[in-house]
Amino acid sequence: KAGVTQTPRYLIKTRGQQVTLSCSPISGHRSVSWYQQTPGQGLQFLFEYFSETQRNKGNFPGRFSGRQFSNSRSEMNVSTLELGDSALYLCASSELVADTQYFGPGTRLTVL
Amino acid sequence: GQQLNQSPQSMFIQEGEDVSMNCTSSSIFNTWLWYKQDPGEGPVLLIALYKAGELTSNGRLTAQFGITRKDSFLNISASIPSDVGIYFCAGQLTSGTYKYIFGTGTRLKVLA
Repeated sequence: KAGVTQTPRYLIKTRGQQVTLSCSPISGHRSVSWYQQTPGQGLQFLFEYFSETQRNKGNFPGRFSGRQFSNSRSEMNVSTLELGDSALYLCASSELVADTQYFGPGTRLTVL
Repeated sequence: GQQLNQSPQSMFIQEGEDVSMNCTSSSIFNTWLWYKQDPGEGPVLLIALYKAGELTSNGRLTAQFGITRKDSFLNISASIPSDVGIYFCAGQLTSGTYKYIFGTGTRLKVLA
């Protein structure tokens, strides 16, 4: 089976812009979780989607949003980018909510 | 955000040596996962543990789910240069959101 794929792998944006990241889970997996990874804060949970519904949400501002499509693919959007949003954004898929998670390669976002 | 206590933070070892790292928390977990992350890549699942006391091996790696359900350890035997990377533990909460909380990571460097 193909693993989790994320696009794009690298992004450079400027403050105030918005960005959309995409994640395709492992075939048959219906749950997608998003994480932000920074050197200072480590891996922080953003949100989890299952069957097109947000099931869990972390402690991030409303500028961070996501959605899931009927084919389980998920997108994450960050509006009004800030310098502190520079990070590696990781997507993880699992068969069901609360199952073992498998990560994608991540999208490296740099905000200038 | 929530994080697990993972130690050591970093370690230099000689090739061929055994390595041990652990994660502890004041919370009880349902599941423990161990991941390895190479620079610029997403974490790769090494071992999953689902039951208190469970001891599981994957090649040179062995991990255990602590009996109290509050800790886990990972051992790497006869380390080789490609073991270099950052190792993360993740514990799954037993109630509420059932989300995963991640350790702060152990950076391993192997000297040939």
